[in-house]
Amino acid sequence: EDQVTQSPEALRLQEGESSSLNCSYTVSGLRGLFWYRQDPGKGPEFLFTLYSAGEEKEKERLKATLTKKESFLHITAPKPEDSATYLCAVLGPTDSWGKFQFGAGTQVVVTP
Amino acid sequence: KAGVTQTPRYLIKTRGQQVTLSCSPISGHRSVSWYQQTPGQGLQFLFEYFSETQRNKGNFPGRFSGRQFSNSRSEMNVSTLELGDSALYLCASSEVALADNTGELFFGEGSRLTVL
Repeated sequence: EDQVTQSPEALRLQEGESSSLNCSYTVSGLRGLFWYRQDPGKGPEFLFTLYSAGEEKEKERLKATLTKKESFLHITAPKPEDSATYLCAVLGPTDSWGKFQFGAGTQVVVTP
Repeated sequence: KAGVTQTPRYLIKTRGQQVTLSCSPISGHRSVSWYQQTPGQGLQFLFEYFSETQRNKGNFPGRFSGRQFSNSRSEMNVSTLELGDSALYLCASSEVALADNTGELFFGEGSRLTVL
């Protein structure tokens, strides 16, 4: 069965302390891996799409990378406003058509 | 441009009742997908509607159903509610179907259902 696993479940960082979140997947024939940010009481907000191993995307203090089996979301010099739950999702091959499969998320808290 | 609107935001029901949730997508978006989010299971795909047709369905019982209208607004219905149906129900809209998507789904703020 296809699986998407995120680690760690929770991460507490001091402001300015860089770290990485992991998303590993077992989907074969990956058509896309996506990162979202979710604030409490809100719906997820799209951050990045990665399509192939070696691809990287950046947005402000966030950088997402993709290998054949996992993706990393690097948070560089985080600020308190980066506190959120970060979700990754995968889109599998055409036989699992249009089913976005989400990981359980990593809850990040950045303290001043 | 108005975002995705879900109503109601909060509701409380008792076991055995049914509930209908509504989702108005961003103007011009034809795909609406629904998700259930719980602390234990995370975000799980329920189904997708595109141009009034159900395109795909997740692994949920038949008590969960939905529909989409010609203006792309969508409703989901849960019948014979169980305690385990307590969750945040999110809908997301996009211009293209999920199968063709680049991942940029636009989510609403959700409807929080509590079943007593």
